Amino acid sequence: GDSVTQMEGPVTLSEEAFLTINCTYTATGYPSLFWYVQYPGEGLQLLLKATKADDKGSNKGFEATYRKETTSFHLEKGSVQVSDSAVYFCALSLYSSASKIIFGSGTRLSIRP
Amino acid sequence: NAGVMQNPRHLVRRRGQEARLRCSPMKGHSHVYWYRQLPEEGLKFMVYLQKENIIDESGMPKERFSAEFPKEGPSILRIQQVVRGDSAAYFCASSPSGGAGDTQYFGPGTRLTVL
Repeated sequence: GDSVTQMEGPVTLSEEAFLTINCTYTATGYPSLFWYVQYPGEGLQLLLKATKADDKGSNKGFEATYRKETTSFHLEKGSVQVSDSAVYFCALSLYSSASKIIFGSGTRLSIRP
Repeated sequence: NAGVMQNPRHLVRRRGQEARLRCSPMKGHSHVYWYRQLPEEGLKFMVYLQKENIIDESGMPKERFSAEFPKEGPSILRIQQVVRGDSAAYFCASSPSGGAGDTQYFGPGTRLTVL
């Protein structure tokens, strides 16, 4: 079935370090791909998205490129800040069932000052 | 511009009681989605509604759970005869349309605790 697999956490980095959170997907159709972020005690916020192969989503210094050949959508940031500490969810939605977003299990990120 | 509103933010129920969770979508949005997040897990889709219609309820448990989105007022997720396993965070999202790649905007969630 359709699914999203992402890097298990927690991930702990020092401020200004380079961040990569891996995400791969399995889908029967042509999904749209998303990264959502959840700050403590809050709901999810859309961080970025890509709707077709080779698209790059970017926001707040974060980037992810839709790679159809490797079925991946890895999240990267060149220099993380303490305020980036949160849980990050990779997700997909399929054209055939656009109502449903399928989420990965989340990666908790902690940034040390 | 108000975002998606959910209330209550925290709800405590004893086993066997009913839980009612409310969601008001963003202004201009007529599509509502409910998700459940168990501790330390990702969100799992439950149901997708438009005004007065259930479009996709493939993620809803077959018993005790129901959802509605009336013509007037918020969407309601109702859990009857709650059990401890229902303890979770329930998130509502809304979108302007149900199209592919459409962005869903999430509310802050209702954290249900069943004693």
